[in-house]
Amino acid sequence: DAGITQSPRHKVTETGTPVTLRCHQTENHRYMYWYRQDPGHGLRLIHYSYGVKDTDKGEVSDGYSVSRSKTEDFLLTLESATSSQTSVYFCAISVGADNEKLFFGSGTQLSVL
Amino acid sequence: KQEVTQIPAALSVPEGENLVLNCSFTDSAIYNLQWFRQDPGKGLTSLLLIQSSQREQTSGRLNASLDKSSGRSTLYIAASQPGDSATYLCAVRPGGGNKLTFGTGTQLKVEL
Repeated sequence: DAGITQSPRHKVTETGTPVTLRCHQTENHRYMYWYRQDPGHGLRLIHYSYGVKDTDKGEVSDGYSVSRSKTEDFLLTLESATSSQTSVYFCAISVGADNEKLFFGSGTQLSVL
Repeated sequence: KQEVTQIPAALSVPEGENLVLNCSFTDSAIYNLQWFRQDPGKGLTSLLLIQSSQREQTSGRLNASLDKSSGRSTLYIAASQPGDSATYLCAVRPGGGNKLTFGTGTQLKVEL
């Protein structure tokens, strides 16, 4: 698993509440990513980070924010959760001389009721 | 915008059969292509990565090929086993960027 830990593994929350998902890595990799996976859509990039306090948007960033205050932690926040954000969320890191290879965490199943 | 397609969406084969999974992409200006395996309720596991300058990569019973000009990649699995049952996804990385585009995957079932 390339030293990637996601927490929590499962979460049920109500519409309108804030939610924060955490991704922790142990190997000081520079690039970290948040994806969501939905039936019929595959994996879609939400946000990614290329260093401490350096982040950029992916293709489905609306309604999400991220923070990276330490190399090892990348947080994904849903400021006000909606039912359309019910999904499985995956964190990933890229490794290699050119950050060419992706390794994924085990995922967080989020249900917004 | 890059689009990645994997057909078929699901495939069922008897144990021992050799099989090919397909991945096609619309923009040939890619940096590399990666094949992943995903077991139910789990994250993705990287299987093979092919750089744009390469034609194929092999790992054990797996062989991935890349034809960049035609926008196609195949994953060949030899002598399939029930343990190969999983969803297989391909993803392409554009030249000059880090944002991968994923296909929706092929769900493979290998039956005894």
